[in-house]
Parts: sequence; structure tokens; C-alpha cells
Amino acid sequence: AQKVTQAQTEISVVEKEDVTLDCVYETRDTTYYLFWYKQPPSGELVFLIRRNSFDEQNEISGRYSWNFQKSTSSFNFTITASQVVDSAVYFCALGGAPYYNQGGKLIFGQGTELSVKP
Amino acid sequence: NAGVTQTPKFRVLKTGQSMTLLCAQDMNHEYMYWYRQDPGMGLRLIHYSVGEGTTAKGEVPDGYNVSRLKKQNFLLGLESAAPSQTSVYFCASGYKSTNEKLFFGSGTQLSVL
Repeated sequence: AQKVTQAQTEISVVEKEDVTLDCVYETRDTTYYLFWYKQPPSGELVFLIRRNSFDEQNEISGRYSWNFQKSTSSFNFTITASQVVDSAVYFCALGGAPYYNQGGKLIFGQGTELSVKP
Repeated sequence: NAGVTQTPKFRVLKTGQSMTLLCAQDMNHEYMYWYRQDPGMGLRLIHYSVGEGTTAKGEVPDGYNVSRLKKQNFLLGLESAAPSQTSVYFCASGYKSTNEKLFFGSGTQLSVL
């Protein structure tokens, strides 16, 4: 069975601090995809990044960076120099290869609520 | 661009009443999903569809039915609403497979009294 665990329910930081959101996943698939989504107070989910299981390279996009480690089944997300606008709920998600995974389930973690205070 | 549109945005039901939530997408996506979001539970998959005329169960399908008669629409039905179905419901669609990002609707706040 697939599972995504975000152990941090809530995180509170002061603006300009760095913060890392943890994500641990479980899957028996050899091919899979990992995602991060952001849900700001407005409610709509916004796609941030996708990573496939063959690509363990870390990625940096502006103040955001992602660390994917298959050995520990983790896909952590770091925000550098956080800003108040980063306040949101962040979800990690796992999708299996569609060919043999019943056609496309995408499973989400419980979410981490990040509060960045000025 | 409309993207993914959910109707209604808010609804209050009494226990035992029925209703249908409509999700419409104009991106010609094959994959469509219904999730519910509850505090501390994250997003849980109710049902999904990988194409017109197909549906499949997700993590929490009991008490819900779905239909995908047209590619652009994915309907979620509650035949006999229960207070446990009070939640925020999100519809999402994706182009072809789970290696593509999903596009989400703005959500439906449902309260069952």
C-alpha cells in the first residue's frame, strides 16, 4: 500500500528563517512520482514540484529547494529566508506508475501548516 | 481560462438528504479525482476516473458514488448524507497520468447537520 507521512503538523517561524518540511513515503512501486503542493489561505491547491523515482538530483527554485533521498524514502522541502507570503499548508503527494498501479491514484500526506510571522 | 470548476461552493444538508457535486474541466484531461479534506487528515482520495466511462475507488469511497459520462465532467453523489461527510471537497484533473501535475478546483464546503 502507498502511504505518505508528514510528521510535522504545524510549524511556526519568524520571517527570514529557513524552514524544512519533512515528507516520508512508502511504496512497493519501482516507478513513482512525488509532488509538493501549496494551499494558501484562499484554499486552492497550487502545484510546486514533481520528481520521479529515477531522478535523485536535488532541485532549487528561487528560495525553494527539494531533497529527494530514495535510501530513506524522503522528499523534504526547504524554504530559505521565509516570508509571510509563504504561510500556507503544504502537502506532499505520491503517485504510482499508471500502467500497473490501478491507473493513477495520487495519495497525499496529512499536510504541514506553516506560519511565518513578521 | 476556467480550468477546474466546482459547483456548488457551499452547501448545507440535513442528515439523509442527497446531493450531487459537479466538477467540470475544460482542459481535455483524462484523469479526474475527488478528494475530501478534513483537519489533521490531509486530502483523502474518494474516487477517481482515468477516462470517460470509467471510475475507481480511492481511500474512502463508502457513502459516495461517482459518474463520468462525459470526459469533461465528474460527478460526486451523496445518496444519504451523514454528519461524518461534513468536509471540504476538492476536485482535480490531470492530463494523462500520475506523473503529471494535477489542477484543482476551489473546493466545496459541505455541512451535514
